[in-house]
Amino acid sequence: GAGVSQSPSNKVTEKGKDVELRCDPISGHTALYWYRQSLGQGLEFLIYFQGNSAPDKSGLPSDRFSAERTGGSVSTLTIQRTQQEDSAVYLCASSLTGTRTRRETQYFGPGTRLLVL
Amino acid sequence: EDKVVQSPLSLVVHEGDTVTLNCSYEVTNFRSLLWYKQEKKAPTFLFMLTSSGIEKKSGRLSSILDKKELFSILNITATQTGDSAIYLCAVSETGANNLFFGTGTRLTVIP
Repeated sequence: GAGVSQSPSNKVTEKGKDVELRCDPISGHTALYWYRQSLGQGLEFLIYFQGNSAPDKSGLPSDRFSAERTGGSVSTLTIQRTQQEDSAVYLCASSLTGTRTRRETQYFGPGTRLLVL
Repeated sequence: EDKVVQSPLSLVVHEGDTVTLNCSYEVTNFRSLLWYKQEKKAPTFLFMLTSSGIEKKSGRLSSILDKKELFSILNITATQTGDSAIYLCAVSETGANNLFFGTGTRLTVIP
């Protein structure tokens, strides 16, 4: 594909429900990142996947958040028992490996706007 | 404690004006600084800076890094309404997989 794609683009859910957000990275990009952007805030790192290595989960805010990446490509971010403070835009990014420029130039998807009522 | 601080938070200018956006950072093992433009949802990459004093330029946009004073500026000359966006600054740090982002500067260019 031409760029990172995410679905759904918008999601409205009720407090306590589980949600799944999907990210399709750019083909050939082995690194994948999830970030969260709350209103008026900068991007907050959530989780990082690199190839077959164990993911870096250091940014996940609670154990209600989890993510997986199947086959080294598509990733799903799951939020269980959603809370109103989970409302935010969830952005996925991918990058190449190799040189520093390739690794650190992250290409972002359009995000999923999550609203928890 | 914020690792990346951007200023101003918002800025309104007229078309044709020149603007300077600021980004200061404080990380232990700095690796690089990146600028992104966020118009609707997806931030788009503008520049990556790793060395002090070397200006990166793309059209009307330019950026420079000062590793001694720990800041970067993004200049936009002859602004156009299409420059209206949130400009995000991010830094990478050795030992960390992610980028650390500032809260951004919201630029509005009015005709």
